[in-house]
Amino acid sequence: DGGITQSPKYLFRKEGQNVTLSCEQNLNHDAMYWYRQDPGQGLRLIYYSQIVNDFQKGDIAEGYSVSREKKESFPLTVTSAQKNPTAFYLCASGWGQTVYGYTFGSGTRLTVV
Amino acid sequence: AQKVTQAQTEISVVEKEDVTLDCVYETRDTTYYLFWYKQPPSGELVFLIRRNSFDEQNEISGRYSWNFQKSTSSFNFTITASQVVDSAVYFCALSEWDNNNDMRFGAGTRLTVKP
Repeated sequence: DGGITQSPKYLFRKEGQNVTLSCEQNLNHDAMYWYRQDPGQGLRLIYYSQIVNDFQKGDIAEGYSVSREKKESFPLTVTSAQKNPTAFYLCASGWGQTVYGYTFGSGTRLTVV
Repeated sequence: AQKVTQAQTEISVVEKEDVTLDCVYETRDTTYYLFWYKQPPSGELVFLIRRNSFDEQNEISGRYSWNFQKSTSSFNFTITASQVVDSAVYFCALSEWDNNNDMRFGAGTRLTVKP
C-alpha cells in the first residue's frame, strides 16, 4: 500500500544534540513538506521541497535543516540551534500544488530531555 | 495573506448529539481551496474533504456535512449523531491557487465525544 512512513514515532534527545527525523513516501509524489505541531497552534511549515535536490524554507526554518537527495525521502534534522525543539513533527507529501491537498505521515514526537 | 481561524479550541458533547465545528478564512485570491482534516489519537492527519471556491454547494457524506458560505468566508463542518470514534482534533485549511507553496491550517478544534 502506498503511504508515508515517519520514524521513529517517539524520539528523545539530550540538549545540545542534533537529531534526524525520517520521512519516506512511496506515492510517487513530487513535493514533500515538514510541519511542526504545538498545542493550540495548528501546523506550522518548517521546510518544503517541490523537486529533488531543491528545498525552500517555511515559516519556522531556523534551527532545522533538510535534504532531498531522493524523490522518496525528505529527512529533517533538528539542530542544537533550535531553541524549543520539543514538539510533534508531521511529514506530508503531495503532487506539487497545495490545492490538491496532502497525504500525511503518522508523525514523530520529539522530546528534549 | 491567507489565514484560517478556528475559534473553538475544545468541544465536548455526549454521544448522539450533533456538533458543528466552525472555520473562518481570509484570502485575497479568487481561486482557492478549503480542506478539513481529522487527526485521531494516532497522530496522522486524515483527509476529509476538499472544496474549491467556485463550488458553494453543501456536501453530505454519511454523518458528516459541510456548509460553505463565501459571503461570510466560512466553511463549517457538522457531525450528526456523533460517536465516540469521532473524538479527534479537526483542522480546517486553506490553499490559494496563486500561492502554490503553502497550505494554511487553523489551530484545530479538539472534539471529545463522551459515551
